[in-house]
Amino acid sequence: KNQVEQSPQSLIILEGKNCTLQCNYTVSPFSNLRWYKQDTGRGPVSLTIMTFSENTKSNGRYTATLDADTKQSSLHITASQLSDSASYICVVSGALNDYKLSFGAGTTVTVRA
Amino acid sequence: GAGVSQSPRYKVAKRGQDVALRCDPISGHVSLFWYQQALGQGPEFLTYFQNEAQLDKSGLPSDRFFAERPEGSVSTLKIQRTQQEDSAVYLCASSLDGYTTGELFFGEGSRLTVL
Repeated sequence: KNQVEQSPQSLIILEGKNCTLQCNYTVSPFSNLRWYKQDTGRGPVSLTIMTFSENTKSNGRYTATLDADTKQSSLHITASQLSDSASYICVVSGALNDYKLSFGAGTTVTVRA
Repeated sequence: GAGVSQSPRYKVAKRGQDVALRCDPISGHVSLFWYQQALGQGPEFLTYFQNEAQLDKSGLPSDRFFAERPEGSVSTLKIQRTQQEDSAVYLCASSLDGYTTGELFFGEGSRLTVL
């Protein structure tokens, strides 16, 4: 069973609108959580990295939140742009064997003009 | 180089053929990872190197898969007697140090199609 579940699987939003992606994980003990953006046919690119002590982290129009108690994270995209169309992947690292990252299946975001 | 470079970007193989996929990590990066990404799925861990040492190969699907990094820089993932289920994108990633709480940089992947 995948230890990282993302929702929704896909979504379509209009340019300029906001959206929020969800990530639930069961990895324990927990070390850190990352959000990656993956354009079609490209490798994932890091957006944010958060340790268990961090509640929120921003990178431009991207803001990630983390609740380590409930094992939930969200990625909020503000004022979406066409270039935000991509797959967004939540990645969790456990404190044991922290190199063995657990990847979610991703949320595919399509931004339309 | 400026980023992680993988080659070939695309490979079509007939079932039973051997293939070799190459990864050039960012210069000086200690950690190197290989992942397998099926269509519409997140990457799955295959193996992890710290310099030339292969510390974990537990994700390799079968003994047909073999990875090496003999000089602690370039790595090769070899798949022998390819099967259709091996069709996937193979991603390589590198990290500056041996502790993977740091930034992980991915290559663009090698898409393998086995006919």
